Amino acid sequence: KQEVTQIPAALSVPEGENLVLNCSFTDSAIYNLQWFRQDPGKGLTSLLLIQSSQREQTSGRLNASLDKSSGRSTLYIAASQPGDSATYLCAVSARGGADGLTFGKGTHLIIQP
Amino acid sequence: SAVISQKPSRDICQRGTSLTIQCQVDSQVTMMFWYRQQPGQSLTLIATANQGSEATYESGFVIDKFPISRPNLTFSTLTVSNMSPEDSSIYLCSGLAPSGEQYFGPGTRLTVT
Repeated sequence: KQEVTQIPAALSVPEGENLVLNCSFTDSAIYNLQWFRQDPGKGLTSLLLIQSSQREQTSGRLNASLDKSSGRSTLYIAASQPGDSATYLCAVSARGGADGLTFGKGTHLIIQP
Repeated sequence: SAVISQKPSRDICQRGTSLTIQCQVDSQVTMMFWYRQQPGQSLTLIATANQGSEATYESGFVIDKFPISRPNLTFSTLTVSNMSPEDSSIYLCSGLAPSGEQYFGPGTRLTVT
């Protein structure tokens, strides 16, 4: 059974810092990996999707990498802003996504103004 | 990105009653899923909503408790039956786009008293 772990569970940094969120998964036979953010009381916003054949994806100040063989992904946030404060979730899928997503418990991020 | 809507956005229900949650997706979605997010926890997949046939449930979830329908490609319902306080959670539906990316609705916050 796939298990997804996210480290750290919580992180508080001053505005402007670059930071890295970590995600690991136990079964490397994934189809893709997705990073989401969740604001309090809200649904999930998709940030980045990395297919299993890809190494990284970038969107604005966000960069996600994937090392499928070692079962790891990182989300890099450059020049953090208070608006980046949220919970960041990592999730993996198998079988073309037909099995749904397995989620980690998330990293609760606070950016101090 | 896919547009997914849910209703109701929140509800407070009495123990022993049932609540039906509706999810509407736009036409690009191929598969639909239902997830539960218990307080302070990450998301857990309840089931895959199959068009015109019985849903596929994950371990620990049963049809009698969480009946799901998907009468057409873009609409699904989840019913939480015979509710108890332990069913208090956020329920989210998602849609799988052809790109392999999953998009989520805003969620339904359920409180059972």
